[in-house]
Amino acid sequence: DVKVTQSSRYLVKRTGEKVFLECVQDMDHENMFWYRQDPGLGLRLIYFSYDVKMKEKGDIPEGYSVSREKKERFSLILESASTNQTSMYLCASRLPSGGVDNQPQHFGDGTRLSIL
Amino acid sequence: GESVGLHLPTLSVQEGDNSIINCAYSNSASDYFIWYKQESGKGPQFIIDIRSNMDKRQGQRVTVLLNKTVKHLSLQIAATQPGDSAVYFCAEINTGNQFYFGTGTSLTVIP
Repeated sequence: DVKVTQSSRYLVKRTGEKVFLECVQDMDHENMFWYRQDPGLGLRLIYFSYDVKMKEKGDIPEGYSVSREKKERFSLILESASTNQTSMYLCASRLPSGGVDNQPQHFGDGTRLSIL
Repeated sequence: GESVGLHLPTLSVQEGDNSIINCAYSNSASDYFIWYKQESGKGPQFIIDIRSNMDKRQGQRVTVLLNKTVKHLSLQIAATQPGDSAVYFCAEINTGNQFYFGTGTSLTVIP
């Protein structure tokens, strides 16, 4: 089974702090993703990475950055946390695929982040 | 843009009955679809997927139906159990390999 591990289940930070959310997967997946999940809005893609050192902006990258120094680890960084970044953050990974070979994303259990 | 939605935000079923959860999608070019289950306090868990060259796929107690004519996807759960209580949402993957997720239907199983 694919295991995607997010380092914290709950996190409370203050406005203006730099916040790091860590995600590790154990299946040697090239593709990794960060989403935030808010009531009524579903999953929104923040950033994704197709391989080590690579990163691409998703739909809502403003206020965030990412780091992918190792294949198994994908970090999400809130440069200067704001209250509107209070949310559930989900990390996912999958094998590179497309077309007839498409594969699902596998998710971690999320980090519930509160910015005070 | 993409639009992946669910017909009902909540669904209650009696234990032992069958459940049907629906999803509509907007991009007729999408070629891959997934159903996820998300229990309280956990991340989304993959249930079943279906490719656009199929109209039905069965798993253990679950069946996914794809109707490309009306751009509709459904998840059927047979003999629903209390452990099936969760939020279920669909995902649509287009030919550009982009994922779009629905907002979810909350399923409650009544003992």
